[in-house]
Amino acid sequence: DIVMTQSPDSLAVSLGERATINCKSSQSVFYSSDNKNYLAWYQQKPGQPPKLLIYWASTRESGVPDRFSGSGAGTDFTLTISSLQADDVAVYYCQQYYNTPQTFGQGTKVEIK
Amino acid sequence: EVQLVQSGAEVKKPGESLKISCKGSGYNFANYWVGWVRQMPGKGLEWMAIIHPGDSDTRYSPSFQGQVTISADKSMSTAYLQWSALKDSDTAMYYCARATSGTFSPFYSDQWGQGTLVTVSS
Repeated sequence: DIVMTQSPDSLAVSLGERATINCKSSQSVFYSSDNKNYLAWYQQKPGQPPKLLIYWASTRESGVPDRFSGSGAGTDFTLTISSLQADDVAVYYCQQYYNTPQTFGQGTKVEIK
Repeated sequence: EVQLVQSGAEVKKPGESLKISCKGSGYNFANYWVGWVRQMPGKGLEWMAIIHPGDSDTRYSPSFQGQVTISADKSMSTAYLQWSALKDSDTAMYYCARATSGTFSPFYSDQWGQGTLVTVSS
């Protein structure tokens, strides 16, 4: 199985400031045949199911605010919230879908400082 | 509107069997994978298994292989997750999720059910 490791486990950021979450995979999730990184990011708020934010490492899902962005390739990826809003308090997960079993990172809890 | 609606919360005793469901609507159910994800109390997301209702292609995480059975009825647009003998450690929230379809494998999950809470206690 591909192991996904996120850092940090939690972070506290002031409103309007940048939040950065890292995700590292134990093997590359890049397919050269289609030039894509098989990596997604999800947001989960308390008491709610996860919500897709980013797929193909950097493609924003429809309706997701543009303050959310994804970057990276191969084994190292980043989710950035450019200007943290109160509504962004949640746990964020990366997931690889390069192969099955698909696997998630352990999650990063984002709070307001 | 695309929706996945899961069956209601369950309270069971250890050793009992259980089958929970996930009904899709607003899209062609046979054309998308449907997977199940476990979330134990206060913990993260764990990918369990996935099925393609169109051809019944099924994949399991080794951690869950033999512990649960995934199935789907495309005529009912419904996917299922079942246990033959529940354990206390099966207590968790279970989410179903629709995954977009690659040529041979599922991709990311773009729609999620509301979750089914399963409590196993003697």
